[in-house]
Amino acid sequence: EIVLTQSPATLSLSPGERATLSCRASQSVRNNLAWYQQKPGQAPRLLIYDASNRATGIPVRFSGSGSGTDFTLTISNLEPEDFAVYYCQQGSKWLRIFTFGPGTKVDIK
Amino acid sequence: QVQLVESGGGAVHPGRSLRLSCAASGFIFRTYAMHWVRQAPGKGLEWVAVISFDGTNTYYADSVKGRFTGSRDNSKNTLYLQMNSLRPEDTAVYYCAREDDASPDYYYGMDVWGQGTTVIVSS
Repeated sequence: EIVLTQSPATLSLSPGERATLSCRASQSVRNNLAWYQQKPGQAPRLLIYDASNRATGIPVRFSGSGSGTDFTLTISNLEPEDFAVYYCQQGSKWLRIFTFGPGTKVDIK
Repeated sequence: QVQLVESGGGAVHPGRSLRLSCAASGFIFRTYAMHWVRQAPGKGLEWVAVISFDGTNTYYADSVKGRFTGSRDNSKNTLYLQMNSLRPEDTAVYYCAREDDASPDYYYGMDVWGQGTTVIVSS
């Protein structure tokens, strides 16, 4: 079983600041990692796929990096609408077993 | 437009069954793998199951294996989740989501989600 750990659990920042979110896998997931944003009462929204590719319509201030076991989501210049919960997720192409991390909440300082 | 609409949620007693549906529109349903993901009240996301594009392969989270069955009817553009032997810990919002599984190397993520349907298991 692949376990994902996200840190920090909560990130308190002001608009305009940079947010750096971490996701660590218990074993290598290659680049098979995605990031999602979820706001209260809404379905998740795909931000990043295959570790570093922005999904359709996602602003350039969102970027993903990493491979293997350590991944980072960076939001370069926080906008008011970016305050939300962010989840990483691994998608094993060979096992077809999927896991979400526990989430990082980005809230307004 | 591309859309997924879940239905079938409700309140049931422990041990009972429920079948969820997810109606797809605006895209070629039969070419996508489909997932069920759930979220318990105030908790994070939990992957439940994936159904291959043609329905021949299904994989499940350990927490639902043997109790839940995913299926699809590509002629009706509809995904299903049959949930048996329901437990209070199955209480959650259930989402369906699509995945482009065409590449053996790239993981394209779950790029379209429904709005969710709520399941409450309580005596």
